[in-house]
Amino acid sequence: RKEVEQDPGPFNVPEGATVAFNCTYSNSASQSFFWYRQDCRKEPKLLMSVYSSGNEDGRFTAQLNRASQYISLLIRDSKLSDSATYLCVSHTGFQKLVFGTGTRLLVSP
Amino acid sequence: GAVVSQHPSWVICKSGTSVKIECRSLDFQATTMFWYRQFPKQSLMLMATSNEGSKATYEQGVEKDKFLINHASLTLSTLTVTSAHPEDSSFYICSARDERFTDTQYFGPGTRLTVL
Repeated sequence: RKEVEQDPGPFNVPEGATVAFNCTYSNSASQSFFWYRQDCRKEPKLLMSVYSSGNEDGRFTAQLNRASQYISLLIRDSKLSDSATYLCVSHTGFQKLVFGTGTRLLVSP
Repeated sequence: GAVVSQHPSWVICKSGTSVKIECRSLDFQATTMFWYRQFPKQSLMLMATSNEGSKATYEQGVEKDKFLINHASLTLSTLTVTSAHPEDSSFYICSARDERFTDTQYFGPGTRLTVL
């Protein structure tokens, strides 16, 4: 079983839609979590950190449920520029980041 | 924000040659850098942790004699793919840990290696 699992998608949504991605992790010792965005043939870029209390950054909301070992990302009012692959990442200590395979989002006009 | 550069951004080489990739932290010091590899439609996989002034720590299944890592200064780590073969063709990405922020890593733009 992969340490971080995501639905690969793609999620095809129209502009303005709300879309949610889920991610599960298997290592209960994971200390912190992140969502990264990766565009085609580019490096991943940090989108936001994920906290148990939930955090919001503009149109993006991230939630962590430690009991269920589940992480979510909600994108409201999708823009064309949101089209990318979204990577769920856990930080397991020893400075290591473990990446999920990513969920691909395609926002169409 | 912190910037990490990689050079070259892409390289094409013949099978059997060695390729060196540089990773630099431009505005911060990084005692720890990380090397990842990403095959098409797959996740980033950590290859090794590069430690300034000491030997790199390799992940299980990564051949240390094939992927040589040198972290000679606080701002530079190099990855050398020795005797490259077509199966080594991949996207190699480094990241550097900003000492000021415990678990923040900044990624380089990546190096696309194609071995013919």
